[in-house]
Amino acid sequence: EVQLVESGGGLVQPGRSLRLSCTASGFTFGDYAMSWFRQAPGKGLEWVGFIRSKAYGGTTEYAASVKGRFTISRDDSKSIAYLQMNSLKTEDTAVYYCTRGSRYFDYWGQGTLVTVSS
Amino acid sequence: QSALTQPRSVSGSPGQSVTISCTGTSSDVGGYNYVSWYQQHPGKAPKLMIYDVSKRPSGVPDRFSGSKSGNTASLTISGLQAEDEADYYCCSYAGSYTLDVVFGGGTKLTVL
Repeated sequence: EVQLVESGGGLVQPGRSLRLSCTASGFTFGDYAMSWFRQAPGKGLEWVGFIRSKAYGGTTEYAASVKGRFTISRDDSKSIAYLQMNSLKTEDTAVYYCTRGSRYFDYWGQGTLVTVSS
Repeated sequence: QSALTQPRSVSGSPGQSVTISCTGTSSDVGGYNYVSWYQQHPGKAPKLMIYDVSKRPSGVPDRFSGSKSGNTASLTISGLQAEDEADYYCCSYAGSYTLDVVFGGGTKLTVL
């Protein structure tokens, strides 16, 4: 059974950093691109970015709203994807989801809440 | 403002059919056959319902179907059931020049 479990969310002050983890199981993690999404309270889904599999160079793409502040990485030996978030802003407050895939997203984690507030 | 335009709400009675539209541009919906649809119940993670415009993942009932014409994609749910009441989001690949993945603002489906 495919499972994705996010962790690392919490309350953080504006300007600070936070790193989210997505631990995967039930599939060959290294074979897949992994993506991150977020959903602000009461709002719709927003794509954050994705990381390709090593077979496709392991490169990353980001939404304009987070480019230069957020970094996605992966550790295939541990089946974990990371979302490093720097220079956080209040508008980054959201539930963050990790998903499998890059053009459609067939498995989603349960999400982790990030609250950016002073 | 979302990149893809969906109606804010639709409704139907049990057993009826409803269609949710998703309008984009030739740079996203119209340019690629990479439209997907997600169902989200309150407080839950989204669930993939349709991918590549009209393909259904294993386990999704065949009451759910997808199509596309030009820059508009559609999700049709036939034989409405109470458990179909949820938010539905469309999504499209948009190429890597500006933004890779774009979403609609979501449609609230109410089963009357």
